[in-house]
Amino acid sequence: QVQLQESGPGLVKPSQTLSLTCTVSGGSISSGSYYWSWIRQPAGKGLEWIGRIHANGGTNYNPALKGRVTISVDTSMKQFSLKLSSVTAADTAVYYCARGVTILDCWGQGTLVTVSS
Amino acid sequence: QSALTQPASVSGSPGQSITISCAGTSSDVGAYDYVSWYQQYPGKAPQLIISEVTNRPSGVSHRFSGSKSGNTASLTISGLQAEDEADYFCSSHTSSSALLFGGGTKLTVL
Repeated sequence: QVQLQESGPGLVKPSQTLSLTCTVSGGSISSGSYYWSWIRQPAGKGLEWIGRIHANGGTNYNPALKGRVTISVDTSMKQFSLKLSSVTAADTAVYYCARGVTILDCWGQGTLVTVSS
Repeated sequence: QSALTQPASVSGSPGQSITISCAGTSSDVGAYDYVSWYQQYPGKAPQLIISEVTNRPSGVSHRFSGSKSGNTASLTISGLQAEDEADYFCSSHTSSSALLFGGGTKLTVL
């Protein structure tokens, strides 16, 4: 049973870079055709897809965030990471990592990131 | 890209059936059979309940079913139960290889 766990700072200052890591356990990060995704959800609002990465490093990003987002993968550590630059209060949200491309069949529990000085 | 359009809320009594719509465009919902539905309880991560328009993952109740017509997908919950009270989100693959979510629908079981 694959499990995902997000980790990283819960508070980021405006204009700085948000950095989160997702650790995959109970399965391989490199197996099959799996992509690994990041999604976020502001309090009381809907889900927003941020982007995805394959174990081979191939990425797709949300056009609305492109230019600020970088997703990377470290297969040896079974981790993939999110960096979001130049953050503002609008980036305050619960950030989820998940497995999949069009079907997100396994999610982390989510981590709240607040952007505030 | 704008979010897929879902009703903000729906409600129904136990035992009834309800349907949640998810309206997109010919560049997302209408173009691909890659529509998924997720159930989310307060404070919890979303959970996949329907994939590829109509497929139910193992363990998901047969009371949940999905369909699509043109640019609109739908989730139907039959035999409504109190435990079905949750938020529901649709998603679709897009022509730009992105993933687009709906705004979410809050289901209230009366």
